[in-house]
Amino acid sequence: KAGVTQTPRYLIKTRGQQVTLSCSPISGHRSVSWYQQTPGQGLQFLFEYFSETQRNKGNFPGRFSGRQFSNSRSEMNVSTLELGDSALYLCASSLDHRGTAYEQYFGPGTRLTVT
Amino acid sequence: TQLLEQSPQFLSIQEGENLTVYCNSSSVFSSLQWYRQEPGEGPVLLVTVVTGGEVKKLKRLTFQFGDARKDSSLHITAAQPGDTGLYLCAGVTSNTGKLIFGQGTTLQVKP
Repeated sequence: KAGVTQTPRYLIKTRGQQVTLSCSPISGHRSVSWYQQTPGQGLQFLFEYFSETQRNKGNFPGRFSGRQFSNSRSEMNVSTLELGDSALYLCASSLDHRGTAYEQYFGPGTRLTVT
Repeated sequence: TQLLEQSPQFLSIQEGENLTVYCNSSSVFSSLQWYRQEPGEGPVLLVTVVTGGEVKKLKRLTFQFGDARKDSSLHITAAQPGDTGLYLCAGVTSNTGKLIFGQGTTLQVKP
């Protein structure tokens, strides 16, 4: 089975611009979660989508948004970029968000640099 | 706020040494996972533990889930340079069903 894929792998943007990141989950996985990882804050949960619906949301401003398509592929968007948005953005898919396991399968991430 | 605290945050040891990483919380977890992340890559799931007191072994790695399901440990025997990376624990809380991650332990094993 193919793993989780994320595009692009690297991105450089300027303050004030917006960016869209894409994630394709493992086939059959319906839950997709997004995380922001920085050296100072560690891995922080952004949001989770399941069957095209946002099921959980972390504590990020409204500039961060996402969506999920009927084929479970997901995108996240960050508008009005700030320098502090520079981070590794990770997507993870899971079979189901319910149940005891909720094991996450991560993609390689998108390294976003805001200048 | 539900927190998963990992200790130590950083660990630098020589090849062949043993080490233990701890993951603690005041919350009860229905399951707990350990991940390893190498630079430039996403975390990779190592193991899931679901039963209090459970012990799982993966080659030189031993994972234990506390009896009360509030804590876990990862023990590495005879560490090798290939074990270098960021180790993350993550738990699904029993009351909210949400998955939360610890801050991670950065392990460096020197040859």
